[in-house]
Amino acid sequence: DTAVSQTPKYLVTQMGNDKSIKCEQNLGHDTMYWYKQDSKKFLKIMFSYNNKELIINETVPNRFSPKSPDKAHLNLHINSLELGDSAVYFCASRGKGRGNGTDTQYFGPGTRLTVL
Amino acid sequence: AQSVTQPDIHITVSEGASLELRCNYSYGATPYLFWYVQSPGQGLQLLLKYFSGDTLVQGIKGFEAEFKRSQSSFNLRKPSVHWSDAAEYFCAVGHPPLGSARQLTFGSGTQLTVLP
Repeated sequence: DTAVSQTPKYLVTQMGNDKSIKCEQNLGHDTMYWYKQDSKKFLKIMFSYNNKELIINETVPNRFSPKSPDKAHLNLHINSLELGDSAVYFCASRGKGRGNGTDTQYFGPGTRLTVL
Repeated sequence: AQSVTQPDIHITVSEGASLELRCNYSYGATPYLFWYVQSPGQGLQLLLKYFSGDTLVQGIKGFEAEFKRSQSSFNLRKPSVHWSDAAEYFCAVGHPPLGSARQLTFGSGTQLTVLP
């Protein structure tokens, strides 16, 4: 019954590898996000998709590529992983229009990525 | 540019004591303000939010926050802290960028330790 889910929860990999993190939301929201939380717990937005269209693309290396096959999914693919990519990555979704869910972002449990 | 400042990196309180976590924001228009809590190894859970109206908002787990426009603050309070409140607390301001997505800017977080 999880609203926003991410897989995997933990990801340990070698430098240079390519990996993907998946995110799914069952809230019926139109907008989804990826955030990066660094070792100092600072949260920064990376991408946002609205109705499968890229809306926000912050200054992120182009090794990071989001993909939204449908409104309920926003996956993050990372090429040529580097040590500095080690972080916790959070997916979030945001409700559209009316009701208590308006303008509120709901977060997934996070994926802890460790690059060795 | 919008920004959020949480001046206290770490706060320690005794169980049963009152708590106030500070948050100051910088934003040109009326902000949307949020408090999230992150328990160890967990994702972010929304505690409360302010959009408009009554400046004192009630949230889950007995938390409340007061929006003070004159001070650009949105401090989080709880009259009696429980050991389970030990976590990282994030203040965030929501603002519309281009398009229909709404972006959150987070503060750097305040780590709360609760002593028995």
